Amino acid sequence: RKEVEQDPGPFNVPEGATVAFNCTYSNSASQSFFWYRQDCRKEPKLLMSVYSSGNEDGRFTAQLNRASQYISLLIRDSKLSDSATYLCVVSSGTYKYIFGTGTRLKVLA
Amino acid sequence: EPEVTQTPSHQVTQMGQEVILRCVPISNHLYFYWYRQILGQKVEFLVSFYNNEISEKSEIFDDQFSVERPDGSNFTLKIRSTKLEDSAMYFCASSEWTGNEKLFFGSGTQLSVL
Repeated sequence: RKEVEQDPGPFNVPEGATVAFNCTYSNSASQSFFWYRQDCRKEPKLLMSVYSSGNEDGRFTAQLNRASQYISLLIRDSKLSDSATYLCVVSSGTYKYIFGTGTRLKVLA
Repeated sequence: EPEVTQTPSHQVTQMGQEVILRCVPISNHLYFYWYRQILGQKVEFLVSFYNNEISEKSEIFDDQFSVERPDGSNFTLKIRSTKLEDSAMYFCASSEWTGNEKLFFGSGTQLSVL
């Protein structure tokens, strides 16, 4: 089983739609979780950390389910500028962060 | 906003040559990382570095690779004898702490091995 697994997509959604991505991780000792965004050929940029109680930042909501070992990202009211690859990142508290393969999102006008 | 800087942005080299990729992490950060991303593939962990020594490394980071912090600001990745399969985007990252802290990435060095 891969350490961090994501559906690669692509997810093609119309502007204004709500879209959700899931990510599963294999290491039950994982402690920290993040969503990063990566635009084509650019560096990953932090979108948001994921906390146990779930958290929201504007149109973005992240949830963590430790029992099932998955995290999710919900994007409401999608904008054209949300088109990117969304990377799930997991850390077990050691010196490395493991990236998922990413989920591609394309928001259509 | 402070940022991680990487040079060069592009590096073309012949197979078998040595390359050094350079990074200047954010000044108050203590943990440094190298990741790579082969075109169309995922971001892969190479190595982490703290207190002037390697903290953790992946299977990719074999004897051909080395890292160094030669002074108080630079953090370098050296590939001794490049192979075709080393062609990738190499990202440097830094964090204030590790594990629970977010990573800040540089804009990357695109390495092309011919």
